[in-house]
Amino acid sequence: NAGVTQTPKFRILKIGQSMTLQCTQDMNHNYMYWYRQDPGMGLKLIYYSVGAGITDKGEVPNGYNVSRSTTEDFPLRLELAAPSQTSVYFCASSGDGYSYEQYFGPGTRLTVT
Amino acid sequence: GENVEQHPSTLSVQEGDSAVIKCTYSDSASNYFPWYKQELGKRPQLIIDIRSNVGEKKDQRIAVTLNKTAKHFSLHITETQPEDSAVYFCAANRDDKIIFGKGTRLHILP
Repeated sequence: NAGVTQTPKFRILKIGQSMTLQCTQDMNHNYMYWYRQDPGMGLKLIYYSVGAGITDKGEVPNGYNVSRSTTEDFPLRLELAAPSQTSVYFCASSGDGYSYEQYFGPGTRLTVT
Repeated sequence: GENVEQHPSTLSVQEGDSAVIKCTYSDSASNYFPWYKQELGKRPQLIIDIRSNVGEKKDQRIAVTLNKTAKHFSLHITETQPEDSAVYFCAANRDDKIIFGKGTRLHILP
């Protein structure tokens, strides 16, 4: 199993541009999450999903959108990129029920200039 | 909502000594408390977790303790080694989410 994969690994955006960060997992997990991690800081939840067709906001959803059309994929869309969105973005997935262990992808390092 | 407070933010210990990181949480409904380790430039990875029906759990040099009454839990690393240098995050569950603490940067001094 590849686990959780993310593309791209790095990206530089100009202010006002848009992009989609891709996340795919092959563990048949229903729960998926997007976090951002600013330099030297902790993980802040952007959006999460408990299954295909269901998404919900986390702590810092402004400026982002998500969709969950399949169990495997959970893309994160940035509209009108701003310098404040410069960060490392991690996607994670976890299984159902009582176990909440989260498996993280390798991250996408995004710079907005 | 759930708040997870973690301290210290930075910890330096001599190689071979023990390290302790402490966390508190606010939601009494939380029942799952994982700890993640993040090495520089890498993704966070689960190192140990504890559920509310136990007070302590050990895995080799790592142990976690939980005091539900006081709403705090701690990570203990014994006989620290250079490869223990990393950022450690505690977390607690709330509904379908995991809320992370802000992290502790652990330095192992030679």
